[in-house]
Amino acid sequence: GQNIDQPTEMTATEGAIVQINCTYQTSGFNGLFWYQQHAGEAPTFLSYNVLDGLEEKGRFSSFLSRSKGYSYLLLKELQMKDSASYLCAAMDSNYQLIWGAGTKLIIKP
Amino acid sequence: GAVVSQHPSWVICKSGTSVKIECRSLDFQATTMFWYRQFPKQSLMLMATSNEGSKATYEQGVEKDKFLINHASLTLSTLTVTSAHPEDSSFYICSARVRDPEAFFGQGTRLTVV
Repeated sequence: GQNIDQPTEMTATEGAIVQINCTYQTSGFNGLFWYQQHAGEAPTFLSYNVLDGLEEKGRFSSFLSRSKGYSYLLLKELQMKDSASYLCAAMDSNYQLIWGAGTKLIIKP
Repeated sequence: GAVVSQHPSWVICKSGTSVKIECRSLDFQATTMFWYRQFPKQSLMLMATSNEGSKATYEQGVEKDKFLINHASLTLSTLTVTSAHPEDSSFYICSARVRDPEAFFGQGTRLTVV
């Protein structure tokens, strides 16, 4: 079956770096997404990887290894506003998104 | 990025009544829109895929007679929760795909049935 695994919750300190991991199993693969979702709000797009390697976008970077079915989201210079849930989603061969349950990131001063 | 507007943002209704949620693509034409439901601390669950001018495709376990989806134009899809019950209380989110693969989300609608 299709499955996405990511940690339920992580805690980090303001100014530090945190890495949120995601493993996936899908029927076919058309890319891996990361979304940020603040409580009570809709998700907002952060990144998309379809080729192996690291994509950097400001303080956020996303990595993909297709052979390992693995991705991570790296957040640098953490700010309090980064406290949110981070959703990993893989797109299968039918271009449907398979969603992880999300990782709640708690930033402490 | 593309803008998807969802209305209302929140609604409280009495059990047994119906509620309509609108999802509009403001600056692009969306041939396909997706409707999700999200319960607290859970992942997004795809309810149905809405294609302009045709019947929606519902995911397994989603009652099509209870959750009516209409995609009458390239910029508007609606979800009507009919005969709502307290267990239908949830966060409903629409999204539209502009070009594969990125999808843009509406603001979400928090439905509370009392």
